[in-house]
Amino acid sequence: ETGVTQTPRHLVMGMTNKKSLKCEQHLGHNAMYWYKQSAKKPLELMFVYSLEERVENNSVPSRFSPECPNSSHLFLHLHTLQPEDSALYLCASSQDLSNQPQHFGDGTRLSIL
Amino acid sequence: EDKVVQSPLSLVVHEGDTVTLNCSYEVTNFRSLLWYKQEKKAPTFLFMLTSSGIEKKSGRLSSILDKKELFSILNITATQTGDSAVYLCAVRHYNTDKLIFGTGTRLQVFP
Repeated sequence: ETGVTQTPRHLVMGMTNKKSLKCEQHLGHNAMYWYKQSAKKPLELMFVYSLEERVENNSVPSRFSPECPNSSHLFLHLHTLQPEDSALYLCASSQDLSNQPQHFGDGTRLSIL
Repeated sequence: EDKVVQSPLSLVVHEGDTVTLNCSYEVTNFRSLLWYKQEKKAPTFLFMLTSSGIEKKSGRLSSILDKKELFSILNITATQTGDSAVYLCAVRHYNTDKLIFGTGTRLQVFP
């Protein structure tokens, strides 16, 4: 139990569907992150939020839309995805942006048909 | 371009062996280096290193950083089957919280 919970654990969707990934952290942290992990590739940072404000958007296509309604919750809204978007999407949180370790959730395994 | 390179890509050992995993980096404005263990699920935090030459130790695991030669090693002594995992190295930029990850080393420990 890492204190970071992601749902759903697995998601299969068609290219025209709209779905959302959810992340909740119970650690009292102020910073949250989305990463993409594809096979045989390093984890890629997608978005960073600090105190509910986006501080980094790492050239991510607009078909991925993050939302951070409060410091405990982070969403990733998905729309019109492509087969190459199939991957493990990991959420992480840290106390703040002052060189603290990031703690990860178990991820959502996304498959695009 | 910033990069983090881990070696070997994979490693197969028997229980009781000692292993050394390597992480080299080329990153502007280095702030810290982190090691994570990833089994089937969430990467779990192992160590964060900021200063050269100071060993961090947790049980059978230890790690050290060389900021002059731009690398770190992770040692695991007396390996157990539960050590089987992908070990990830990441380097953090000084001015941001951005972590740059390597592709990981897959360690398999057989009885």
